[in-house]
Amino acid sequence: EDQVTQSPEALRLQEGESSSLNCSYTVSGLRGLFWYRQDPGKGPEFLFTLYSAGEEKEKERLKATLTKKESFLHITAPKPEDSATYLCAVITGANNLFFGTGTRLTVIP
Amino acid sequence: DAMVIQNPRYQVTQFGKPVTLSCSQTLNHNVMYWYQQKSSQAPKLLFHYYDKDFNNEADTPDNFQSRRPNTSFCFLDIRSPGLGDAAMYLCATSRDRGYQETQYFGPGTRLLVL
Repeated sequence: EDQVTQSPEALRLQEGESSSLNCSYTVSGLRGLFWYRQDPGKGPEFLFTLYSAGEEKEKERLKATLTKKESFLHITAPKPEDSATYLCAVITGANNLFFGTGTRLTVIP
Repeated sequence: DAMVIQNPRYQVTQFGKPVTLSCSQTLNHNVMYWYQQKSSQAPKLLFHYYDKDFNNEADTPDNFQSRRPNTSFCFLDIRSPGLGDAAMYLCATSRDRGYQETQYFGPGTRLLVL
């Protein structure tokens, strides 16, 4: 059975304190892994797609990496506006997105 | 220049009273999806349309139906809402259905069932 587990569930950081969010997955034949950001009361906003182990993508203070078992979202020197829930999702064999429950990030000024 | 639009943003309905949620898109994408997201949970796919072809997830209750009258619009009908159907409903689109395709989400409609 496909599984996506995100940790930690919640993370509080001081502004400027770098950290990483984890997404571990168990799927039969990973086709792709997506990272989304979701603000309270809003829809998920696309951040990155990763397709193969070793791949990395960067956008501003965010960097996503992928191994054969997990993905990390590294946040460098976060700002309060980076506060959100970060969702990861894998593409299943049916080409559907299967989401994790997310990591709720709070960045304190 | 909103790309995926959902109306209304908030909907209150009564237990058992049918309700329809609306989604429109300006991207001319072939695929439209409906997800249900309950508080602090992952979005869960209910069904999707690939053009006019309807694809229902196996565990989507019969209470949930969908219509796609044209490329731009897709509706979610809940025939007899129960208290457990209170959730955020997210519409998403993708250009095509391959694994490389990115899904773009609307802002969601929060449904409250009284």
